[in-house]
Amino acid sequence: DTAVSQTPKYLVTQMGNDKSIKCEQNLGHDTMYWYKQDSKKFLKIMFSYNNKELIINETVPNRFSPKSPDKAHLNLHINSLELGDSAVYFCASSQDQGQGNNEQFFGPGTRLTVL
Amino acid sequence: GDSVTQMEGPVTLSEEAFLTINCTYTATGYPSLFWYVQYPGEGLQLLLKATKADDKGSNKGFEATYRKETTSFHLEKGSVQVSDSAVYFCALNGGGYNKLIFGAGTRLAVHP
Repeated sequence: DTAVSQTPKYLVTQMGNDKSIKCEQNLGHDTMYWYKQDSKKFLKIMFSYNNKELIINETVPNRFSPKSPDKAHLNLHINSLELGDSAVYFCASSQDQGQGNNEQFFGPGTRLTVL
Repeated sequence: GDSVTQMEGPVTLSEEAFLTINCTYTATGYPSLFWYVQYPGEGLQLLLKATKADDKGSNKGFEATYRKETTSFHLEKGSVQVSDSAVYFCALNGGGYNKLIFGAGTRLAVHP
């Protein structure tokens, strides 16, 4: 059983298109996250949702819109894709948002390439 | 704001060599500290963590001690294996919203 799964694993698309990446966790966690890893492997948080509510939004362009239909899913929709959006996007989840020491479990990543 | 600084890689070692990857942090308050590992083509896995000063995290032969006086959390292993080849990320969590702030990552390559 995959704890945190993402689809698709690879996504190649043209500039200007709109695309979505899906994430699901079967751990019963309340909190989910999206991270972006650039070509130099630098990882930065983008969003976090707790029980379907947005709690972190790290100055990400509004072309990126996360959606959480329920607490087990956090999807990422990207409008008007740009070359600079090419990266690996990781979904993660944790039991909850508090205490500051909750382990985050990561998905396998989605490699997005914008041509 | 909070930040994490890691030694630049790549680090190249022979099997059974001693490993140190330096990590220092800047944070307000008392963050929890983590080491995550990313094997080729995979997502991140938690390697070890420490939640307060002087705590030592350990797993799979790796260790790191939370040093508040030097704001450091250096990763060590006494004898590396080829299977340890991966990218290692130091991270902190300053509390509230469980936001992880990562260092730039250090690539480790271990040769037989």
